[in-house]
Amino acid sequence: RKEVEQDPGPFNVPEGATVAFNCTYSNSASQSFFWYRQDCRKEPKLLMSVYSSGNEDGRFTAQLNRASQYISLLIRDSKLSDSATYLCVVTLNYGGATNKLIFGTGTLLAVQP
Amino acid sequence: DTAVSQTPKYLVTQMGNDKSIKCEQNLGHDTMYWYKQDSKKFLKIMFSYNNKELIINETVPNRFSPKSPDKAHLNLHINSLELGDSAVYFCASSQDYGSYEQYFGPGTRLTVT
Repeated sequence: RKEVEQDPGPFNVPEGATVAFNCTYSNSASQSFFWYRQDCRKEPKLLMSVYSSGNEDGRFTAQLNRASQYISLLIRDSKLSDSATYLCVVTLNYGGATNKLIFGTGTLLAVQP
Repeated sequence: DTAVSQTPKYLVTQMGNDKSIKCEQNLGHDTMYWYKQDSKKFLKIMFSYNNKELIINETVPNRFSPKSPDKAHLNLHINSLELGDSAVYFCASSQDYGSYEQYFGPGTRLTVT
């Protein structure tokens, strides 16, 4: 079983739509949670952290359910520029104070005009 | 100014050759990483150095050897290249080994023929 699982998509949505991505993680010892964004043939970039209380950054809302080991990302009012692969990321302790990021394989979003 | 830079951007080589990829960051970060992203877009950590010291060493063939001459540079040398080494290799850096936000370089697309 993969450590971080995501629906690969693609999610094809019209501009202005609301779209939701889900992610599950297998290791209950995972400590912190993030969404990264990766544009086609580019490097990943941090989009936002994910907290149990839920957090919002403009049109983006992230949510964490530790009991279910489930993370979500909601994008409202989709823009063409939101088209990218969204990577769910968890951290695991590697030893001492060192942490490592575990990436999901990503969900591809294509926003259509 | 590019925060994390890698050279070369593209590398095409034959099986059995030895090649190196260089990475430099000008962010003043203490920690640097090498990731491999395979054809299925799965991004996996290979190594991490903190202030020139190896702190993460995942299970990779010993044909891969990282070297950090100083905390701003982390190079990756690969001996006896194999077809399965074809992938995009990303360098990244973070403030320190406990930081979760990582800044990625543009990637080196390695093709082994």
